[in-house]
This record gives sequence, C-alpha cells and structure tokens, in this order.
Amino acid sequence: DADVTQTPRNRITKTGKRIMLECSQTKGHDRMYWYRQDPGLGLRLIYYSFDVKDINKGEISDGYSVSRQAQAKFSLSLESAIPNQTALYFCATSDSRGRKFTQYFGPGTRLLVL
Amino acid sequence: SQKIEQNSEALNIQEGKTATLTCNYTNYSPAYLQWYRQDPGRGPVFLLLIRENEKEKRKERLKVTFDTTLKQSLFHITASQPADSATYLCALGSNDYKLSFGAGTTVTVRA
Repeated sequence: DADVTQTPRNRITKTGKRIMLECSQTKGHDRMYWYRQDPGLGLRLIYYSFDVKDINKGEISDGYSVSRQAQAKFSLSLESAIPNQTALYFCATSDSRGRKFTQYFGPGTRLLVL
Repeated sequence: SQKIEQNSEALNIQEGKTATLTCNYTNYSPAYLQWYRQDPGRGPVFLLLIRENEKEKRKERLKVTFDTTLKQSLFHITASQPADSATYLCALGSNDYKLSFGAGTTVTVRA
C-alpha cells in the first residue's frame, strides 16, 4: 500500500464550487505539505503543517485553506474554485526526527476548474 | 526575490552517455540542496541530498556537486539508460524543513 495517498486522483469542478482534497499518510511523519504544480513553474508551496496544532501559509495560500485533522491527515480546501486554480496538487510528508529533510510525495490530484 | 533556475531546454542524450543538469539560484542561502525525479503523472521521488558544507555526493550512477560560491549545483547521471528518462527537480532547503523547487529539466535517453 502507498505510504502517502491522495483523494480524489482527478476532479472536475465548476467556478464557485467548494471542493476538498484529502491526504493521508501511514509513515508516522509529523510534517505535511500541500503543493501545486503548473507547467513551467515547478512546485509551489500552498500550506504546511509541522504538527496538528501548527499550520502555516506557504507562498501561494490565497484562495486555499487547510485542516490537519490528525497527524496522519491533512486536507486542502478551495473555498470558491476559480479556473486559474486548475493544476496538479501534491501532498508531501517529512519526518523531523533525525533531520533527514526528505519529502515523500503522494500521487497527486489533477484538478480542472471550468 | 529568490530564484531557482534549471536547464531551460530538455536534454536528449544517447544511452551510455553522461547527462549533466544544472541548478542555479539567487538570493538564497540554502542549508542543503536536494534532487528529485518525477515521472509523468506521478509525484516526485527523492534521489539525493547534499549539505551546504559538502562539495560532492554520489549514489550509484548519480553524482551531485554543490558550489555555494557560484550558487550552483550540478547533477550527473553516468552510463545513462532509457529508464533514466524523467524530469529532474532541484530543491533548495532550509532547516525548518521547507523546500523551494526549480521548474525541472526533462531528460530523454535514446536507446
């Protein structure tokens, strides 16, 4: 089974709709991240969480919100989706123990906003 | 503002040759630098980490160099194989576990 899972894998929605992307991990890591990837722009950090009570904005948090329901679950919400939020979204985890710094990514969610 | 630049052109090489990818950065003092591999439709996968006080790291056919004076990292794939075809991402990291990614370089290895 995959260590970092994302649901849904693909989603088509309409402008103005609220949607939620979910991420779960079985790695026991304390740190979790949400990125979006656009062609030619690379991965950009939306939000990150260092533990259940510590949530921080990344470089492009406007229009997004997150919830860390448990150490293993980190959800990303688009309150009112707009077409320029069409992108590939990735969740990632890392473990602060041992200062290894490696991030482990989920398979991604492809989102299309019409 | 911070900027991370990787080879703007895709890299096409013959099997058996060495692929060399560059990662240049400005307005940044990373504690470490990482390289990830990304296949189409999949999430990035970690390959190597090199710290600011290290000059070179190797792992099997992969070699990474890190020059903090030039603000540059080079990533080499030696004896390349068609299975090495993928997009390679450079990421600069801080001690608070955040990464900043480059846009990636796509490598195609011809048999």
